[in-house]
Amino acid sequence: DIQMTQSPSTLSASVGDRVTVTCRASQSISSWLAWYQQKPGKAPKLLIYKASVLERGVPSRFSGTESGTEFTLTISSLQPDDFATYYCQQYDTYSKTFGQGTRVEIK
Amino acid sequence: EVQLVESGGGLVQPGGSLRLSCAASGFIFRDYEFNWVRQAPGKGLEWVSYISRSGSLIYYADSVKGRFTVFRDNANNSLFLQMNSLRAEDTGIYYCARPGGYLDSWGQGTRVTVSA
Repeated sequence: DIQMTQSPSTLSASVGDRVTVTCRASQSISSWLAWYQQKPGKAPKLLIYKASVLERGVPSRFSGTESGTEFTLTISSLQPDDFATYYCQQYDTYSKTFGQGTRVEIK
Repeated sequence: EVQLVESGGGLVQPGGSLRLSCAASGFIFRDYEFNWVRQAPGKGLEWVSYISRSGSLIYYADSVKGRFTVFRDNANNSLFLQMNSLRAEDTGIYYCARPGGYLDSWGQGTRVTVSA
């Protein structure tokens, strides 16, 4: 199975900060990677798919990049609504795997 | 508007069974693949199962293989997860989500608790 290693597990930041979350795949997944945001008690929300394609309605301060098997989610200027947990997910195979999650908390 | 509504969760003893349902509306159900994803209390997301549009192609996570069965009823826009031989580690919120790769729509989840 493909393993997804996400870091950091927790990130403390302030409103207006630039925030970066990283996900590394254990093998090549091409660009078959998605990012989700989850708030407490809610279902995950798709932010980005195919590594860098922004889902409709998602603010442009969110972006995704890839370099080999390393993928990055960047929030260019953190907003109050962005404090949440973020997950990466590979879908190169039918057996999908998620990263462990990154909790973005208020500094 | 796309809607996915799960139901069927509850409290069950170890070794027991539950059948989860996911009712879909707002789109052409038979045109989409689906997945079940779960989340243990305070933990991350875990993919559970995938089913193709016709139901002919199905995959399971190793942790549930042989105990869970996914199936669908395209005539009634519904997805199901039959869970047998439940264990404490199956406790969590179960979400249905579409489509097959990245998941652009999720239900609100149904809570499953396996405890004596």
